[in-house]
Amino acid sequence: QQQVKQSPQSLIVQKGGISIINCAYENTAFDYFPWYQQFPGKGPALLIAIRPDVSEKKEGRFTISFNKSAKQFSLHIMDSQPGDSATYFCAASSLRGGTASKLTFGTGTRLQVTL
Amino acid sequence: NAGVTQTPKFQVLKTGQSMTLQCAQDMNHEYMSWYRQDPGMGLRLIHYSVGAGITDQGEVPNGYNVSRSTTEDFPLRLLSAAPSQTSVYFCASSYRSFSGELFFGEGSRLTVL
Repeated sequence: QQQVKQSPQSLIVQKGGISIINCAYENTAFDYFPWYQQFPGKGPALLIAIRPDVSEKKEGRFTISFNKSAKQFSLHIMDSQPGDSATYFCAASSLRGGTASKLTFGTGTRLQVTL
Repeated sequence: NAGVTQTPKFQVLKTGQSMTLQCAQDMNHEYMSWYRQDPGMGLRLIHYSVGAGITDQGEVPNGYNVSRSTTEDFPLRLLSAAPSQTSVYFCASSYRSFSGELFFGEGSRLTVL
């Protein structure tokens, strides 16, 4: 049972374009939604995160949009650059009950930004 | 500041062999966990620990054992390796109060023949 569904599996975007990755979750107890970025041969690293009290969070070229009623959230990368080429994972957890660190991850999206 | 250190980085085992993947962190994090990463499956939680002496199962615990005798170390043991355990394993840690970030090691690539 995949509690966090992520799409697309892979994505090719031209330099300067917008990259969009979508995730959907099932567990209504989830209230913390981070995105992790992973480069080849490295471990994932936190990119940006959102909590459901806001519908959007922006950090530089990266924006998370959150739709609580639809149980969906997405990552938008504006002005995509070749250096953004990596695998992106969405994740979710519950901040209650001391299990906030117990992240459930999506299946990942491999992003390639071409020149 | 080393962060989360995993050893070995690469390992090849034969079916039925045992081994231990080591994980150490120097950030005084209470929470530590092990994930496996497989193509098309994302990262799946194997075991986790909220402090020394406390461990619990994640999503895919079968075939793996863990212990947490110190805050710094969280080894993952494969008692009898199977080809299905061929994967990349990641150790991660965070403050139990969860500052909002899970810190990952660089991974250990395991191949079981």
